[in-house]
Parts: sequence; C-alpha cells; structure tokens
Amino acid sequence: DGGITQSPKYLFRKEGQNVTLSCEQNLNHDAMYWYRQDPGQGLRLIYYSQIVNDFQKGDIAEGYSVSREKKESFPLTVTSAQKNPTAFYLCASSLTGTGKETQYFGPGTRLLVL
Amino acid sequence: AQTVTQSQPEMSVQEAETVTLSCTYDTSESDYYLFWYKQPPSRQMILVIRQEAYKQQNATENRFSVNFQKAAKSFSLKISDSQLGDAAMYFCAYRGSQGNLIFGKGTKLSVKP
Repeated sequence: DGGITQSPKYLFRKEGQNVTLSCEQNLNHDAMYWYRQDPGQGLRLIYYSQIVNDFQKGDIAEGYSVSREKKESFPLTVTSAQKNPTAFYLCASSLTGTGKETQYFGPGTRLLVL
Repeated sequence: AQTVTQSQPEMSVQEAETVTLSCTYDTSESDYYLFWYKQPPSRQMILVIRQEAYKQQNATENRFSVNFQKAAKSFSLKISDSQLGDAAMYFCAYRGSQGNLIFGKGTKLSVKP
C-alpha cells in the first residue's frame, strides 16, 4: 500500500535531549512537510522540502532541524533549544511543491516531555 | 501574509440533518487552492474536498460540498445527511504560490443521534 508512515506513535523526551521523528513515504512525492499541532490550534509549518537535499524554514523552525538525503525520507529532529516541544507532529507530502498539489498526511507522532 | 479564519470553534448537528461550517481567508493572490480537512479522534488528517480558485463551479464530493465566494473570500463546507462518523475537527486550509498550507484553528463538529 502507498502512504506515509510516521514513527514512533508516542515519543518521550527528557530535558536537554535531542529526539528524532521519522517520516517515510512511498508515494514518489517530491515535496515533504512537517507541521506542529497544539491544542485548540490549527497546524503550523515547521520545515518543508521541495526536492532532495534542499529544505526551507517554515513559520516556527526555531529549535528544530531536518534533513532530506533521500526522496522517501524527511526526519525531524527536536533539539534541546526547543523549550516547549510537547505537541502533535504531522508529516505530509505532495507530488510537487507547487500550489495545486494536494498534501497527504501521515498518522502523526505525539511528543511528550518527561 | 495570508490568513485563514474559522469563526465557529464548535458546531453541533442532528444525525441526517445538514450543517455548514464557515471559513474566510485573506490573500492578495489571484491563483490559489482551498481545502477542507477532517481530523477524527485518531488525529489522522483526511482530505475532504478541494477547490481551485480559478474555477467558478463549487466542488462537490458525495455529501460534502462547498460554497466558494471568491470576491468575499469565503469558503464554507456543507455536510448533508450528517452521519455519526462525520464527528471530527474540520480544518480549512489555504495554499498559495509558496506551496505550503495555511490552516485555520478548526471547528469541532458533534453529531447527535
């Protein structure tokens, strides 16, 4: 089946620790995105990548980092610089990075701070 | 900068009835795309319907339809014959020339049996 997978489903972070959220897609999509969702809020864009080896900051990139070494994979690292990381993280992809393409979402990762 | 506003934090509908969720947006672009996404308790984001701004005809997907008013920058979602499975958060989203989605804060829809 084609789709987007995210792992783990739940992730716990200790103070001062970096953690990495995985996002993989087998849809052959060029563009991939990371969003953060807080209670009572819509989704906010963290980072996006329109092509391999290239990515851009979104609206709330501080405290996060990404890489795009493979077309299928777009991991997100939550660094110790992110002081309020508790949130639901959603990964998405689209065929291209142009405006007309629909974005499809993975099932999400819930990050909690211990 | 583009913004998306959903003015109804919560809505309720009786099963089999019709409900309309509101969405307004602000943009200076002429070519863009609008989406409604559904997020059930599982938290998976599911595309409900999309509308291209250059198309005057309102999009329809089975029981879901939109009322797109480009001049008024309004994009409401109508759900007909509401079902228990329609209960979810509904997000309106805008996608312009930069390619990323801008979301409203969502409307929580409850369906009463």
